[in-house]
Amino acid sequence: EDKVVQSPLSLVVHEGDTVTLNCSYEVTNFRSLLWYKQEKKAPTFLFMLTSSGIEKKSGRLSSILDKKELFSILNITATQTGDSAIYLCAAPNNAGNMLTFGGGTRLMVKP
Amino acid sequence: DSGVTQTPKHLITATGQRVTLRCSPRSGDLSVYWYQQSLDQGLQFLIQYYNGEERAKGNILERFSAQQFPDLHSELNLSSLELGDSALYFCASGQGTENIQYFGAGTRLSVL
Repeated sequence: EDKVVQSPLSLVVHEGDTVTLNCSYEVTNFRSLLWYKQEKKAPTFLFMLTSSGIEKKSGRLSSILDKKELFSILNITATQTGDSAIYLCAAPNNAGNMLTFGGGTRLMVKP
Repeated sequence: DSGVTQTPKHLITATGQRVTLRCSPRSGDLSVYWYQQSLDQGLQFLIQYYNGEERAKGNILERFSAQQFPDLHSELNLSSLELGDSALYFCASGQGTENIQYFGAGTRLSVL
């Protein structure tokens, strides 16, 4: 059974801080790892990391994948209050038709 | 806005009742996925449809069923509702090939 575990469970930081969120995975026939941001409701897609794309960056957010150690991290630099959300990582199954999600990291950024 | 539309946003009903949740995928997406998110279980995959056919089943109860219509919209039917079915139900859509799934805003179901 595929498994995705995220840590920490929650994090409280102040604006301007840098945070690192962790995601470890055990999946059969790794295809990719996805990061989502969930604010009020819908998870919104951030990054997809694959064997051929192990590092992604968008503005203050960046993510890397370590296929050997089976984990990924999501970095957010110069955090803002708008970064407050639950961050989810997920891995598709072997057939690529279902995502197994981690439990999420709840990030709160205080002014 | 992900382009995935779910209705209704909220649903309040009683135990034993039946409800239908609706989802319209992003333009061009053939796959629709349904997920349940509860406080204690996180996001759990329920079922996938691809171009009208069921493709994968996850932890979906027998009281729940889904279908995808020729116009590619999908419905999730929940029957004989129990208190424990109260949750957020998300629909996602994708191409079915590159693994990225785009989520709708969800339907919050409250069973009283």
